[in-house]
Amino acid sequence: GQNIDQPTEMTATEGAIVQINCTYQTSGFNGLFWYQQHAGEAPTFLSYNVLDGLEEKGRFSSFLSRSKGYSYLLLKELQMKDSASYLCAVRDQDGGATNKLIFGTGTLLAVQP
Amino acid sequence: NAGVTQTPKFRVLKTGQSMTLLCAQDMNHEYMYWYRQDPGMGLRLIHYSVGEGTTAKGEVPDGYNVSRLKKQNFLLGLESAAPSQTSVYFCASSSRWTSGRIETQYFGPGTRLLVL
Repeated sequence: GQNIDQPTEMTATEGAIVQINCTYQTSGFNGLFWYQQHAGEAPTFLSYNVLDGLEEKGRFSSFLSRSKGYSYLLLKELQMKDSASYLCAVRDQDGGATNKLIFGTGTLLAVQP
Repeated sequence: NAGVTQTPKFRVLKTGQSMTLLCAQDMNHEYMYWYRQDPGMGLRLIHYSVGEGTTAKGEVPDGYNVSRLKKQNFLLGLESAAPSQTSVYFCASSSRWTSGRIETQYFGPGTRLLVL
C-alpha cells in the first residue's frame, strides 16, 4: 500500500532551526516534493528531491534517502511567517505517466517569539 | 498570468442539492487534478485528467463527476450533495512530466463547501 508519514504538529522558536521528517512506502519512486501551506491558502512548492542527498534553497533545505524511504525539510533562522503546514508528497510509479502525487497529512509548524 | 483560479470561493448547500465547481488555468498545462482537504486527512485526489476529453478516478471519486471539455478548464460536479462532502476543494495543474524535470503541481486558492 501507499503510506506517507509526517509528525502532526511541531513547535519551534523564532531564529532557531527545525527539522520536519517524512517517511514513505510507495509503489516505486519518481521524486519527493515539499509544499508549504499557510492557513486558508493554497499549497505552494518549496523543494524537490529525486536523488539521494541534500538540496539547499536559501533558508530551506531538503534531504532524501531513497534506500530508507526518508526525507526531511530543514528550516533555518525561523521567522514568524514560517508558521504554516508543511506537506510531503511523493510521485510514485504511476505518477510517472500522470504526474499524480500522494500527500502526507502535513505537519503544522508553530513558530513562537 | 492568473495561474490556477477556482470559482466559487465559498458555497453553502443543502443535502441533496447539486453544484459545479470550476477550475481554470492559463499555463497551457496538460494535466489537471481535483483534491479535497479535510482536517487530519491531508490532500486526497478525487479525479484527474491527463488531457482534454479524458478523465480518471483518483483515491476518493464516489459522489463526484468531472469533465474536461477544454484544455484550460476542469469541472467538478456534485450531483446530490451530502454532509460528508463538506470540505475544502483544491484544483491543481501541471505540465507533462519527463524524467529529469521537476514539474510541480500548481494549486488554485480553494473552494470551501459546507453541506447542511
